[in-house]
Amino acid sequence: AQKITQTQPGMFVQEKEAVTLDCTYDTSDQSYGLFWYKQPSSGEMIFLIYQGSYDEQNATEGRYSLNFQKARKSANLVISASQLGDSAMYFCAMRQRISRANTGNQFYFGTGTSLTVIP
Amino acid sequence: DGGITQSPKYLFRKEGQNVTLSCEQNLNHDAMYWYRQDPGQGLRLIYYSQIVNDFQKGDIAEGYSVSREKKESFPLTVTSAQKNPTAFYLCASSIAGPINEQFFGPGTRLTVL
Repeated sequence: AQKITQTQPGMFVQEKEAVTLDCTYDTSDQSYGLFWYKQPSSGEMIFLIYQGSYDEQNATEGRYSLNFQKARKSANLVISASQLGDSAMYFCAMRQRISRANTGNQFYFGTGTSLTVIP
Repeated sequence: DGGITQSPKYLFRKEGQNVTLSCEQNLNHDAMYWYRQDPGQGLRLIYYSQIVNDFQKGDIAEGYSVSREKKESFPLTVTSAQKNPTAFYLCASSIAGPINEQFFGPGTRLTVL
């Protein structure tokens, strides 16, 4: 079963408008972390924002905010005031502990959403 | 500057040859990871290592091998047993802490001719 689901392969947004990228996740763990990464055409993965499963407030980082709805297991990324430089692939990811006996973490990634900002 | 370096950026290999992708980090991170990315897909985990001299298979380890002799280095060998090795390979590292985010290298694009 998919751990992370991103249902929007591609999205378009007008410059200066806000856009929401969807992400749902699947876990039975109580403790986990949710991340969003941006991948420009150059290929590097850029960390944008993090939400811990116990965090009660939605995370915000500048123009990025994470709409965390724990009961629905969703972690949507909201980009406000879109800029041309926001055009990229966006990946949602989840961090889970590997096992009770193991303090290491494993990360699961969605298939990504390609965002295009239109001037 | 601290970061993760991967070399080379582009790599071409003939079918049947083994090739090693380099990954070095100076962030003093304990955990390191190798991912494969194909067009239209997310990242799939090949191998990961939490400490020196220890590593674990990920979801698609067949046809790949790794070593972790030093904390800073986690090279990935793509062997001739990997049937479809043409892909973009990303190395990442992370440190224990409240967030544990992964830091990624710039990636290596491998093409089999």
